[in-house]
Amino acid sequence: DSGVTQTPKHLITATGQRVTLRCSPRSGDLSVYWYQQSLDQGLQFLIQYYNGEERAKGNILERFSAQQFPDLHSELNLSSLELGDSALYFCASSAINTGARDTEAFFGQGTRLTVV
Amino acid sequence: ELKVEQNPLFLSMQEGKNYTIYCNYSTTSDRLYWYRQDPGKSLESLFVLLSNGAVKQEGRLMASLDTKARLSTLHITAAVHDLSATYFCAVDMWQNTGNQFYFGTGTSLTVIP
Repeated sequence: DSGVTQTPKHLITATGQRVTLRCSPRSGDLSVYWYQQSLDQGLQFLIQYYNGEERAKGNILERFSAQQFPDLHSELNLSSLELGDSALYFCASSAINTGARDTEAFFGQGTRLTVV
Repeated sequence: ELKVEQNPLFLSMQEGKNYTIYCNYSTTSDRLYWYRQDPGKSLESLFVLLSNGAVKQEGRLMASLDTKARLSTLHITAAVHDLSATYFCAVDMWQNTGNQFYFGTGTSLTVIP
């Protein structure tokens, strides 16, 4: 158990809908990362938050947004869903801060999103 | 953008054999990570390599890092079926105020009895 909790584990929804994925990082970790894993795209970085602030952005669609709350949990919002958004969405956390050396990311179990 | 390439993409090997998975990356970095993923499961951290020449071993797996060559290897010794999984390397890159982990394409390993 990595200590990173994601809910829900599975989600099935229709095209055009909106969903929210939730992530609780490991205790004490300030950084949260969101990744999308699909068969044809591999692991794609979406976005990083550190202590409530957006810090790095990857290939995140405009239909997607995220935030990190004061208690450090994070939510990824996916709207106007398309069939191609079906994927495993992972949240990871790390203790990274400027100057830290041991910065491995610990991954949650993922949310499997199926858009039908 | 940082590129991380792994080879081979697919590896089928017999139990008891040795093999090496290679991870090349395109931009200078001295932090490289190896993860394991079982089908439909999360990514499990295997190794953290934080300097040139770093070598770490855990059981039948050994990882090394050559930052000058921008190359990391994951060596499998006397493979057993339980090692069947997909292995990812990842490089940590800072960009302005934040960082991201760039992942390789993964190597799907199947160990055949």
